[in-house]
Amino acid sequence: GAVVSQHPSRVICKSGTSVKIECRSLDFQATTMFWYRQFPKQSLMLMATSNEGSKATYEQGVEKDKFLINHASLTLSTLTVTSAHPEDSSFYICSASGTSGVYDEQFFGPGTRLTVL
Amino acid sequence: GENVEQHPSTLSVQEGDSAVIKCTYSDSASNYFPWYKQELGKRPQLIIDIRSNVGEKKDQRIAVTLNKTAKHFSLHITETQPEDSAVYFCAATDNNDMRFGAGTRLTVKP
Repeated sequence: GAVVSQHPSRVICKSGTSVKIECRSLDFQATTMFWYRQFPKQSLMLMATSNEGSKATYEQGVEKDKFLINHASLTLSTLTVTSAHPEDSSFYICSASGTSGVYDEQFFGPGTRLTVL
Repeated sequence: GENVEQHPSTLSVQEGDSAVIKCTYSDSASNYFPWYKQELGKRPQLIIDIRSNVGEKKDQRIAVTLNKTAKHFSLHITETQPEDSAVYFCAATDNNDMRFGAGTRLTVKP
């Protein structure tokens, strides 16, 4: 199947700093990428959907100025957590789809565990 | 928007028994229903999916059924093995955003 990588896998940062997470589709063109957040023992919560070359669509309750998403190419999307706070500590997972919608399979990255001190 | 409910939240079975996980959805426009298996600290892996024009799909020990009228779909695992132990998520989408169920932690006792 298609491969999606995510970097870094783990990051620890100080409160107030910004952290960038990269999501790459390695062997296919991802027209759509999704960013999820997962708290311990909970389900995946969709944060935003991004289409290449367009502004991301954020879910209700997700601060777009805090969680900056860029999908500049068909193989790369980035999530930047700005002015991180301890409550932002979570497991962030991206997924990529090779179509303009989610009808076809989404391929998930391995996730990034963010810890904000 | 879509709302997906999943039951049970935890399920424990003996090796060799069957396991059934059920999900309901709210949006009648949803037309794609994947199931994911997630092991601790790892990414979700698609194990089976079903589209709205199909009522049942089977892949070896795993099967999924869909009842569009009742808006529910179920995952069936037969002859369970210890390596089936994981958290399973159902999801539903209408070609826009995918919504996940809360997850079911399946434990298969040897």
